[in-house]
This record gives sequence, structure tokens and C-alpha cells, in this order.
Amino acid sequence: AQSVTQLGSHVSVSEGALVLLRCNYSSSVPPYLFWYVQYPNQGLQLLLKYTTGATLVKGINGFEAEFKKSETSFHLTKPSAHMSDAAEYFCAVSESQGYSTLTFGKGTMLLVSP
Amino acid sequence: GAGVSQTPSNKVTEKGKYVELRCDPISGHTALYWYRQSLGQGPEFLIYFQGTGAADDSGLPNDRFFAVRPEGSVSTLKIQRTERGDSAVYLCASSLGQGANNEQFFGPGTRLTVL
Repeated sequence: AQSVTQLGSHVSVSEGALVLLRCNYSSSVPPYLFWYVQYPNQGLQLLLKYTTGATLVKGINGFEAEFKKSETSFHLTKPSAHMSDAAEYFCAVSESQGYSTLTFGKGTMLLVSP
Repeated sequence: GAGVSQTPSNKVTEKGKYVELRCDPISGHTALYWYRQSLGQGPEFLIYFQGTGAADDSGLPNDRFFAVRPEGSVSTLKIQRTERGDSAVYLCASSLGQGANNEQFFGPGTRLTVL
């Protein structure tokens, strides 16, 4: 069984500030980990994913995340927030074996103020 | 190229009615997934198709929910005797194949409101 916990349903930052969205997971097998972004009235878009190899993964729009097995975490960061980053962000986990249904967290709404 | 499309974008129905939600996956994608996203929640898995067959329907909440994919492309999610608790955004995703290395591409969803 797998689960994802995202700390904070809302995170507020100022434009230019560091963005940190937290994600912890549980999985009985080595996980694949994902961050998706959802803009209003749009579908989920993949930001980045970790499968194997380098634990620091870089995604689109300047986001990156680090897989820390010892902490069962996959936090999402961006050095400098932009107004266009305001959206809802979902962390998800799937098993690395077999097919790939995703288990999502509840999401974190990122608010960016000028 | 065209992404995943879902129709209708919005559906309002009355309690007890039957509804069908359609998903057109990306051409050539053999894997298709349905998820449900309730207010304030992340998407929850409903059913997964590999080709024409439902490989995993463990997420369907009860026997009022059913999905088909008769030709291995378009899929229809069918809900009988709708209840107010069925109100949610229903998301469809497709991928080139099975396995987590294949990115799932999501459609914009169908917002279902049951009055």
C-alpha cells in the first residue's frame, strides 16, 4: 500500500522568495515519485519525476525536488517564486514494479503575492 | 499534437439519473486511467485499462460505476443512479504503455454536479 502526505493545504510566499512544498510518502516497494501542477480549469501537468539514479531531479519552470529515502520525503523547491507559479501542486507516488496507478496527496495551493 | 480530451466539460444532473463521461486519449496510447477528484482532495484512482480490457478496477467505489473501452481508444465512464456524493471532477489520463516510466497525460476533467 502507498500513501502521500502533503504538509500544508496552502502556502503563501512573496514574489522572489523561496518556494518549499513538502511531501512525505510511504511505500512497501521502491517508489517512483512525481510532482504535478494544476492551473485553474486545466489538466494536471507533470513538473518532474524521480524513478532511479540521481536523487536531485530538475523539472520545468525552475522547480526541483530531492528524493531522501531515509526521510521518506520528496520536497519540491524553487529558488525564486514568480506570480505565474500560483497554482495547486500535487505530490504522487507509484510502485516501481508493474503498472503505474498513481496515489496522490491532497494537494498544496501555492499563493504568490507581489 | 492533440492532448487528452474529455467531454462534457461540465455535467449537471439530478439524483438518481444516469450519466456517461467520455475520454479521448492521445492517439497511440494503450494505457488509460480514470481518477476522481473531490473538492479539497487529490485525484483518486478508479480504473485502469490496458488496451480494451480493464486491468484494474479496484478503485471503483461500488457497482453503480462502470467503464468501457471497446476499441482500445475512447473510454466511457458510466454512473448509474447518481448520488450527491458522486459530485466531483472526473479525470482521465493516458500513457504510451504500462509501467511508471510512462508519463500519464491528463485531460482537463469533467465536473459532475449531482443535485
